[in-house]
Amino acid sequence: GAVVSQHPSRVICKSGTSVKIECRSLDFQATTMFWYRQFPKKSLMLMATSNEGSKATYEQGVEKDKFLINHASLTLSTLTVTSAHPEDSSFYICSAPTGGRISDTQYFGPGTRLTVL
Amino acid sequence: DAKTTQPPSMDCAEGRAANLPCNHSTISGNEYVYWYRQIHSQGPQYIIHGLKNNETNEMASLIITEDRKSSTLILPHATLRDTAVYYCIVRGNTGNQFYFGTGTSLTVIP
Repeated sequence: GAVVSQHPSRVICKSGTSVKIECRSLDFQATTMFWYRQFPKKSLMLMATSNEGSKATYEQGVEKDKFLINHASLTLSTLTVTSAHPEDSSFYICSAPTGGRISDTQYFGPGTRLTVL
Repeated sequence: DAKTTQPPSMDCAEGRAANLPCNHSTISGNEYVYWYRQIHSQGPQYIIHGLKNNETNEMASLIITEDRKSSTLILPHATLRDTAVYYCIVRGNTGNQFYFGTGTSLTVIP
């Protein structure tokens, strides 16, 4: 199947710093990518939709100034957690659909474990 | 998007078939049913999806009831590596977003 990668796989940072997470579609182009976060023993929660060439769309309750999303190309989306605090510690996962139809499969990255000290 | 209801946990003996049910009684006519699984600390892995016909691939079979209000994912010969959380998702027809429910934690027992 299609491959989606994330970098880094885990990151530890100090409170107040910003952290950038990359999501790449390796063998297909994705005009749309999605960002999720997952707290321990909880399900995935959709944060935002990343759109190539336009602004991201954020789910209700997600601070757009806190979680900056840039979809620079058809194969790369980045999520920057600005001024990170311990409560931002979570497992961040991206996904990308292989096409624009609702019948197209969506593939997920391996996730990035963020720990804010 | 249609919501899904799954049992929180299930056990299955190694080598036996694992049957994971999912209710999606408010599904719309053009919404697909997707199944993913997540092994601890990894990203979700695609398993299978379908609209109204039963589907089978190398990983699993998907049985969708005629009224489309429920479905069952079948892992024909469960192995220990199938221990994971299984998510049944109904794909929204207004976009590509996937909204995850709580899933079923499947434990395959030796």
